[in-house]
Amino acid sequence: GIQVEQSPPDLILQEGANSTLRCNFSDSVNNLQWFHQNPWGQLINLFYIPSGTKQNGRLSATTVATERYSLLYISSSQTTDSGVYFCAVGFNTNAGKSTFGDGTTLTVKP
Amino acid sequence: SAVISQKPSRDICQRGTSLTIQCQVDSQVTMMFWYRQQPGQSLTLIATANQGSEATYESGFVIDKFPISRPNLTFSTLTVSNMSPEDSSIYLCSVALYREGTEAFFGQGTRLTVV
Repeated sequence: GIQVEQSPPDLILQEGANSTLRCNFSDSVNNLQWFHQNPWGQLINLFYIPSGTKQNGRLSATTVATERYSLLYISSSQTTDSGVYFCAVGFNTNAGKSTFGDGTTLTVKP
Repeated sequence: SAVISQKPSRDICQRGTSLTIQCQVDSQVTMMFWYRQQPGQSLTLIATANQGSEATYESGFVIDKFPISRPNLTFSTLTVSNMSPEDSSIYLCSVALYREGTEAFFGQGTRLTVV
């Protein structure tokens, strides 16, 4: 099956700092999403980004499908950004079945 | 996106008992899925809940342990049977919706502790 590796596993930042989270995947995919899991366990959709670049406020993401990686950028981090960030990949022909990476645990300190 | 409601949100259960988790979606969806997240771990797909037929289980998961029902296009249940402390996890219901592509959306999860 597809292997999904996320780095770094843990990240500690001061409020206001910027960060880059990486997701590498082992096979060509046409479905890639980034999620934020808050401390209560809720998974929040951040981006659907099988290729290209998207921005939403302080967050942006870039996927280079040909090189099998995706990056999530967080700028001017806030304490509410703390939590676990997951990358999930799959195929549209296998609609909805996702393989998740191990996540990056982000802690933003005030 | 869809509104996905899971019940219960959390429970503490005795070993050897069973718990049924409900997942209700506010619109009809073809694909529903159940995931498990063990403490400190990532999400692992348990099965695909198929409307009108048996669920399709992933390797390592069996129907006797995790029976699933899907009576209609808006509802599914997952039962965790004969529980042991190793079953303590967050169980999440997911649906696939087509927007720009096929996107997964999740319920708030059920946090299960087995004692």
